[in-house]
Amino acid sequence: DGGITQSPKYLFRKEGQNVTLSCEQNLNHDAMYWYRQDPGQGLRLIYYSQIVNDFQKGDIAEGYSVSREKKESFPLTVTSAQKNPTAFYLCATQTGEREKLFFGSGTQLSVL
Amino acid sequence: GEDVEQSLFLSVREGDSSVINCTYTDSSSTYLYWYKQEPGAGLQLLTYIFSNMDMKQDQRLTVLLNKKDKHLSLRIADTQTGDSAIYFCAERRNAGNMLTFGGGTRLMVKP
Repeated sequence: DGGITQSPKYLFRKEGQNVTLSCEQNLNHDAMYWYRQDPGQGLRLIYYSQIVNDFQKGDIAEGYSVSREKKESFPLTVTSAQKNPTAFYLCATQTGEREKLFFGSGTQLSVL
Repeated sequence: GEDVEQSLFLSVREGDSSVINCTYTDSSSTYLYWYKQEPGAGLQLLTYIFSNMDMKQDQRLTVLLNKKDKHLSLRIADTQTGDSAIYFCAERRNAGNMLTFGGGTRLMVKP
């Protein structure tokens, strides 16, 4: 996971609450991604950012928001509009070399 | 749904070879990747292959690519218990930088 830090490792959300997942990187990569992983399923793209101050919706952006004010940071907010937020969330960065993705260690979000 | 498909589960005995298969749909894909995920962790890049290659070998790992059939496989020689994990294939299509992932194959290695 070197160079990509996701926190917290575990997070609990109460109904109606917004929560923010942190993703920080020191790899100097321009592109950053947020994926959602449900048990026994593959990865689904939530949001991505190719450059600072710009981001795009992925396949399942509803109920989520992001910001990219700094190259190193790409936080994901799970809003109260996301009715089924329980999942494993993975942040990734992308190097320009052959577009390899590097992943953080993930945050498990659960609903209380 | 996913455009990249994998079987859900594979069980092998320690010391045997494992073959994990993947089919993809976009013939213009330029790079194809194999990632490994251990429980509660992120994905780790194992290997990748460029679309103009048929095979790539890296120690115990062999990747085979059949572009005609859009079929990718990962062979793990002398499979060890530490190889037990979920394996994801992914493709990078010609347009854009994003990767599309398969649903993952859970490999179980029995002692």
